[in-house]
Formats: sequence, structure tokens, C-alpha cells
Amino acid sequence: EVQLVESGGGLVQPGRSLRLSCVASGFTFDDHAMHWVRQAPGKGLEWVSGINWNSGTKDYADSVKGRFTISRDNAKNSLHLDMNSLRAEDMALYYCVKDIAVYTSGWFDSWGQGTLVTVSS
Amino acid sequence: QSALTQPRSVSGSPGQSLTISCTGISGDVGKYNRVSWYQQPPGTAPRLIIYDVSRRPSGVPDRFSASKSGDTASLTISGLQADDEADYFCCASAGSYVLFGGGTKVAVL
Repeated sequence: EVQLVESGGGLVQPGRSLRLSCVASGFTFDDHAMHWVRQAPGKGLEWVSGINWNSGTKDYADSVKGRFTISRDNAKNSLHLDMNSLRAEDMALYYCVKDIAVYTSGWFDSWGQGTLVTVSS
Repeated sequence: QSALTQPRSVSGSPGQSLTISCTGISGDVGKYNRVSWYQQPPGTAPRLIIYDVSRRPSGVPDRFSASKSGDTASLTISGLQADDEADYFCCASAGSYVLFGGGTKVAVL
């Protein structure tokens, strides 16, 4: 059974940094691209960032480009999101998401339960 | 990178069929076949129900079908059931970015 377990969320002041992590199990991690997708309370889904199987391709939404960095450690089956210069509009539930393919196809076949990031002074 | 356009809500009675549209621009929905649909019941994580425009993952009932014409993708739910009540999101991958629709709330009357 595929499991994606996120951690690292919490309350952070505007302008500060936070690192999200996701540990994967139940599938061959380096056979799949991975993504972060967020959902603000009561709102829709927003793709944040994606990384292909070997970290050769990293893509970002315009809203986070230059502030967020995605990375993965295939030896530890883990995915990370370093978030800097956080803003109120970054407040959301952040999902770790598995792609069907090794490249970023945008087809997300497994989702974690999410970790909540709250940005407030 | 603008969100794809979906109706905010649709409703139907049990047993009926309903269709949700998803309109993009020629650079995303129209250009690529990387269209997918997700179901999100209240308080749960999204679940993939359609990928590659019209393919269903294993375990998704064939009451869910989808298609694409030009810049518009569509999801049809046939034989509507009470547990189909959820938010539905379309999604298009266009090269280096991924777009979601704003979501459609499906109510079963």
C-alpha cells in the first residue's frame, strides 16, 4: 500500500522559513516524479512544485518561484520543500503527491494527508 | 498560469447523469492530453478518477467517464449515487507547469 506521510508544517511568521518533508513507502520511490500541491482552507487545489525521478527537472508555480525549493533523497525515500520568505497567501494544507510517471506527467495517483502551514504574526 | 474554469456547482438526483466542464486555453487543455480529474469528498485528500483525458485507474467505477474537445474537457457521472457528493477538480499539465480548475461541488438531491 502506498503511503505518503508529510511533516514539518506549523505556525510561522511572515517572512520566515519552513521545511516540509514527506516520507514515502509502498512503491519504488525513484520510479516516480513527485509533487507538492496545496489547498488553502475552503479553497481549491494549487500545484506548487514538481520534481522528476532523478532531480534533473524541477518546476515551480509562478506564485512560489524564487522562494520555494523542491528536493528529493531517493536513498531515504523522501521529498522536501524548503519555503522561504513566507507570506500570508502561502497558508494552506500542503499535500505530498506521487506522479504516475518518472517524469512530471501531472497525473497524481496517490496523495498524503497533508501538513498544515499557518503564516501569521 | 491561470486556473482552468469549472462551474462552481452542479446537482442531480440519484440515478441521473451530470457533466462537469473544464475550460482552459490552447496552451494547456487544448494542446496536451495530460488532463486528469480528481474527486475530493469533504475532509479527505483528493483521489484520481481520470487521467490521460479519459482513462480510469483501477477501482474507479465506469460510471465516471471523460472526454476532451478543443480547449474543453468534460467529466460525466452516470447513475448518480449519494456518495458521489464531493468536490471535483480538473487538472492539465502543460510542459513545465500544472493547472487545476477551481473545483465543482456536486450535490446529490
